[in-house]
Amino acid sequence: EPEVTQTPSHQVTQMGQEVILRCVPISNHLYFYWYRQILGQKVEFLVSFYNNEISEKSEIFDDQFSVERPDGSNFTLKIRSTKLEDSAMYFCASSKRWGQDFGTEAFFGQGTRLTVV
Amino acid sequence: AQKVTQAQTEISVVEKEDVTLDCVYETRDTTYYLFWYKQPPSGELVFLIRRNSFDEQNEISGRYSWNFQKSTSSFNFTITASQVVDSAVYFCALSEGTGRRALTFGSGTRLQVQP
Repeated sequence: EPEVTQTPSHQVTQMGQEVILRCVPISNHLYFYWYRQILGQKVEFLVSFYNNEISEKSEIFDDQFSVERPDGSNFTLKIRSTKLEDSAMYFCASSKRWGQDFGTEAFFGQGTRLTVV
Repeated sequence: AQKVTQAQTEISVVEKEDVTLDCVYETRDTTYYLFWYKQPPSGELVFLIRRNSFDEQNEISGRYSWNFQKSTSSFNFTITASQVVDSAVYFCALSEGTGRRALTFGSGTRLQVQP
């Protein structure tokens, strides 16, 4: 069964360093998302991406964050200068193109646990 | 703005008991989608169900059932004859419009099923 794949599963980085979280969405999906979950809290939306551009972003997604689809299969989230409060589980998700069946679920990857020290 | 409330922070039941997880949502859109996701201890998010705002039929899938009531803006989830493997955090989520928009998650309900 197709699935969203995220690498690495766990990353530890020093405060101020840049990190890139990688995701391979399901191949026939065209909408991509990043969410994060601070330990013990709810899942929060960061950004959505369609047709090679950001379609929606939250207040959390400030200038320190960027997303890219560099090669048609990978979807990356970059944090330029990590802060302690960026420590969280980051989930990538993808969903299908909209057709006759408007509305479809987002499938989530297994997450990357980012620890900033 | 949309909002999802899961008032039950944690529920503990004994195996084989039935349990209902509550979800109340707020939205100004007439078209929206509701979802339930399961997060087991391993941490991934597992999709359980999607419902659009025009379909109020209740749904049953094995031991799982969902009760969608627009009149009370609720989308409750019942597990019948709970099992230890059902232990997880369950999230209700809302997506406004045709569903391509971001999911707004509730704070989750942690379900502990004791043997």
